[in-house]
Amino acid sequence: DGGITQSPKYLFRKEGQNVTLSCEQNLNHDAMYWYRQDPGQGLRLIYYSQIVNDFQKGDIAEGYSVSREKKESFPLTVTSAQKNPTAFYLCASSRTGVLPNWNGYTFGSGTRLTVV
Amino acid sequence: KQEVTQIPAALSVPEGENLVLNCSFTDSAIYNLQWFRQDPGKGLTSLLLIQSSQREQTSGRLNASLDKSSGRSTLYIAASQPGDSATYLCAVGGDTDKLIFGTGTRLQVFP
Repeated sequence: DGGITQSPKYLFRKEGQNVTLSCEQNLNHDAMYWYRQDPGQGLRLIYYSQIVNDFQKGDIAEGYSVSREKKESFPLTVTSAQKNPTAFYLCASSRTGVLPNWNGYTFGSGTRLTVV
Repeated sequence: KQEVTQIPAALSVPEGENLVLNCSFTDSAIYNLQWFRQDPGKGLTSLLLIQSSQREQTSGRLNASLDKSSGRSTLYIAASQPGDSATYLCAVGGDTDKLIFGTGTRLQVFP
């Protein structure tokens, strides 16, 4: 079955460490997205990529980095510069260039990151 | 800048009730609107996607309507069940293949 896989489900980070969250999709979607979810604040866009080897900052990109070397993969690195990284991170993918017949986002199951 | 608001933030109803969740957006120039369900600690599951040319979509006990001119969408849940308890989020899309999300309505259906 096609879908998006995020790993790990839970991740613990020590102060000053960089950690990388994995997101892999086999839906043949061109676009991939990373969102952060905090209680009461909804989903905020961190980074997105609409094509391999290209990506753009979202609303809260500071302290994060991404790469898009393969169509299927869009890993997110939470760097030590991110001062408040504890949150639930969600990856999504979608087709592109098919408006007005776009078929929306497909989400992964999320990674919960905690600073210890 | 597009802003999406969902009211109420939380809702608690007895089993069997029909209920309506509301979503409003400030910029009516949207291409689509998507409703999601999120269970605690889980990812988002797509429920319904409405293209801008459509006025409603139905799936089982769920019906979503869209009124672009007034900047509103509603999600109607018929004959609610305890298994419907979750957070429901709406999101609107412009011409960039990106969605802007509301903060959600947390629904509890009690037996």
